[in-house]
Amino acid sequence: EDQVTQSPEALRLQEGESSSLNCSYTVSGLRGLFWYRQDPGKGPEFLFTLYSAGEEKEKERLKATLTKKESFLHITAPKPEDSATYLCAVQAEDTGRRALTFGSGTRLQVQP
Amino acid sequence: NAGVMQNPRHLVRRRGQEARLRCSPMKGHSHVYWYRQLPEEGLKFMVYLQKENIIDESGMPKERFSAEFPKEGPSILRIQQVVRGDSAAYFCASSPAGQSYGYTFGSGTRLTVV
Repeated sequence: EDQVTQSPEALRLQEGESSSLNCSYTVSGLRGLFWYRQDPGKGPEFLFTLYSAGEEKEKERLKATLTKKESFLHITAPKPEDSATYLCAVQAEDTGRRALTFGSGTRLQVQP
Repeated sequence: NAGVMQNPRHLVRRRGQEARLRCSPMKGHSHVYWYRQLPEEGLKFMVYLQKENIIDESGMPKERFSAEFPKEGPSILRIQQVVRGDSAAYFCASSPAGQSYGYTFGSGTRLTVV
């Protein structure tokens, strides 16, 4: 069974204080690892897809990296508007299955 | 360029009633997915549909829940005889055909069973 564990559950940062969120996963053949951002009362917003170990992707203050067992979401010099829950999900290679297995998320709060 | 549209945004039902949740995918997207988010829990996959076909319903409860994506019109998630444990946020997502892509999620329907 595919599993995703995110840590920490919650993280409070000061504005400008860089940090990383962790996503550990087990999957029977990885098709893709996804990062989403979710604001309260809204649906998840797609951030990145990573497909193979060693891959990195960046968007503004966010950078996602992938190894064979985990992914990191690095947040550089965060701003209050980066406050949200960040979700990690994996999709297995199993042909035809497109289900994503999500972690429980990391709630990030950035204080001014 | 409208995103994934879900309605209603909020739905209140009494125990035993039926709930119907609607989802219109993004233009050009032919694949629809339903997820449920229980309070303080992560998103859980329910069902994956293409037009007139259920592809994967491995996450659907065996009873009371059904989903469809007709040739014309939105996808419908139907919950019969709702119970308090069905209270949750239900999210629909869509993607284009072909290889996997990051889904685009709608804003969800928050179902409250009283």
